[in-house]
This record gives sequence, structure tokens and C-alpha cells, in this order.
Amino acid sequence: AQSVTQPDIHITVSEGASLELRCNYSYGATPYLFWYVQSPGQGLQLLLKYFSGDTLVQGIKGFEAEFKRSQSSFNLRKPSVHWSDAAEYFCGQGDSNTGKLIFGQGTTLQVKP
Amino acid sequence: KAGVTQTPRYLIKTRGQQVTLSCSPISGHRSVSWYQQTPGQGLQFLFEYFSETQRNKGNFPGRFSGRQFSNSRSEMNVSTLELGDSALYLCASSLFEGGTDTQYFGPGTRLTVL
Repeated sequence: AQSVTQPDIHITVSEGASLELRCNYSYGATPYLFWYVQSPGQGLQLLLKYFSGDTLVQGIKGFEAEFKRSQSSFNLRKPSVHWSDAAEYFCGQGDSNTGKLIFGQGTTLQVKP
Repeated sequence: KAGVTQTPRYLIKTRGQQVTLSCSPISGHRSVSWYQQTPGQGLQFLFEYFSETQRNKGNFPGRFSGRQFSNSRSEMNVSTLELGDSALYLCASSLFEGGTDTQYFGPGTRLTVL
């Protein structure tokens, strides 16, 4: 069965430091991959997505992600974290047959001043 | 364009009651999906509607049901509420592009069952 793994449940970084959140997917010759962010009490906001083409995709809020088929990974990065980036981040994979999203368990990002 | 709207934002019910949640998709989006989010289980897919038809269904009991209207608005209903149904219920409307759906989420309805 399809699954998405986010190995890090909680990450703390200092403001201004770089960030990398890990995501591994388990299935799909052509995976449809997404990153969403959720602030407390809010819905999910789409940060970026990968369907095909350039393996480095740019998203909103200065985030980018790199698709690596050989590692089944789709890691999210940001060169300099801001305090407002503190939130929970979800990696998701679209099921090409059903269209539903399979989510990882999420990574909570804490930003130290 | 206005985003996905969900009403109500908060609900408190007691065990055994039923509840109906509403979702209005982004204008032009014809697909609506529902997800349940809990601390223990994370984000789980409930069902998806497209053109008033349930197209996909997750692994939830029959107490969870939904429907979609001709204007693409959707409702989900949970009957005979249980304590474990306390969750954030998220609705997403979809745009098909690049070979799959891109889902845009609403703010959610926080359901508390006492």
C-alpha cells in the first residue's frame, strides 16, 4: 500500500538558520507529491507540488523541494527560517487512481529566536 | 477567488447525536474531498465527490456519509456520534492539472464529542 514517511516528528531550528524537512514516499513510477503547511487551528495551505519535469520545485514563502527518485524522497528546504514559519508541515502523495492524498504524519517545526 | 469555506468552524455535540458539516469549494472546482485529522491517526481520507457522485471512499464506518449538490457544495454527516469522532474535519476542493488533482483545503470544522 502507498505510504508517506516523515522521519522527523519535531524539529527545532534557530531563526535565520536553514531548514530541511524529510519526506519519503513508497510507491509510484510517477509520483504526485505535495507539501502543505498547517498553522495551529487552521487548514492546510499548499506550499508546492511536483508532478514531473524539473526535480527542484519552488513554492510559496521561500520554500523549495527536491524530488530524488533514486532515494524516493521529496525533501522540503528553506535557506533562512523566519519565526512565522513555525507550524506543522505535511508531505503528501496523490494516488493517481483515486486522486486522494496520502499524508505523512507531519513534522512540527519550532523556531528559536 | 475565494477559498474553500467550511461551516460551522466549531461544534460541540454529545454521544449518540448526529452532525452535518458543510463545505463550499473554490468556484469552478467540481471535486470535493473530506479528511479527518486527529492527533493519533493523523490525516485520513474520508471520501471524495465529483459531479454529485461519490467517486472514492476511505476506510470509515457507514456512520460517515456525504453528498454533493449541483453547485458543487458538499455536506458530510456523522450519525450516532462517538467520542472518537472528535477531530478536525477538513474539506478540500480540487483542480485537475498535470495528471492529478491538486487539493486546496478549507480551514476545517473542529468537532468535539462529549
